Amino acid sequence: KAGVTQTPRYLIKTRGQQVTLSCSPISGHRSVSWYQQTPGQGLQFLFEYFSETQRNKGNFPGRFSGRQFSNSRSEMNVSTLELGDSALYLCASSLTGVGEKLFFGSGTQLSVL
Amino acid sequence: AQSVSQHNHHVILSEAASLELGCNYSYGGTVNLFWYVQYPGQHLQLLLKYFSGDPLVKGIKGFEAEFIKSKFSFNLRKPSVQWSDTAEYFCAVSGAGSYQLTFGKGTKLSVIP
Repeated sequence: KAGVTQTPRYLIKTRGQQVTLSCSPISGHRSVSWYQQTPGQGLQFLFEYFSETQRNKGNFPGRFSGRQFSNSRSEMNVSTLELGDSALYLCASSLTGVGEKLFFGSGTQLSVL
Repeated sequence: AQSVSQHNHHVILSEAASLELGCNYSYGGTVNLFWYVQYPGQHLQLLLKYFSGDPLVKGIKGFEAEFIKSKFSFNLRKPSVQWSDTAEYFCAVSGAGSYQLTFGKGTKLSVIP
């Protein structure tokens, strides 16, 4: 069974640009959540999707958005990039998302110059 | 808002030493509690979880954790660590029925052979 796949693995962008990250969950998993990981703040919850609906959103500005497709694949978008957006972005999937074990991907390392 | 505090940023132990990593959470309701581990170069993975019942839960690789409701704590323990336990350990909490997992900032464990 394939794990959670995130693409791309690395990204380098400049301030002001926008970026789209992709996440393919484990087959059969309908919940996808996104986290930002930085050395100073640790893992911070961005949002969670289930059956194409966003059920919860963390405390991030509106520049951070996401969506989920009918096949459960998810994308997150960050517009007008800032230096502080440099981080590892992790995607996690689970069957239903409610208090379950999360399966994490390897992440996308975003560097904003 | 829920929060998680991990007391130690970096712990260094010799092989065979006993381990206890502290975790305290803040949440005004029923919680689900988790410990995740990230081995060097690997994905985050679940070590153990507590939902209800026996407050002493056992996980993989000989780890266990005790939920003490009165202290809002969920400390991780292992009687005898091995070099292969070198990793970063994250405590996490979600409210019962919540779609959001809140992580602590992590504790890096280095085990010296």
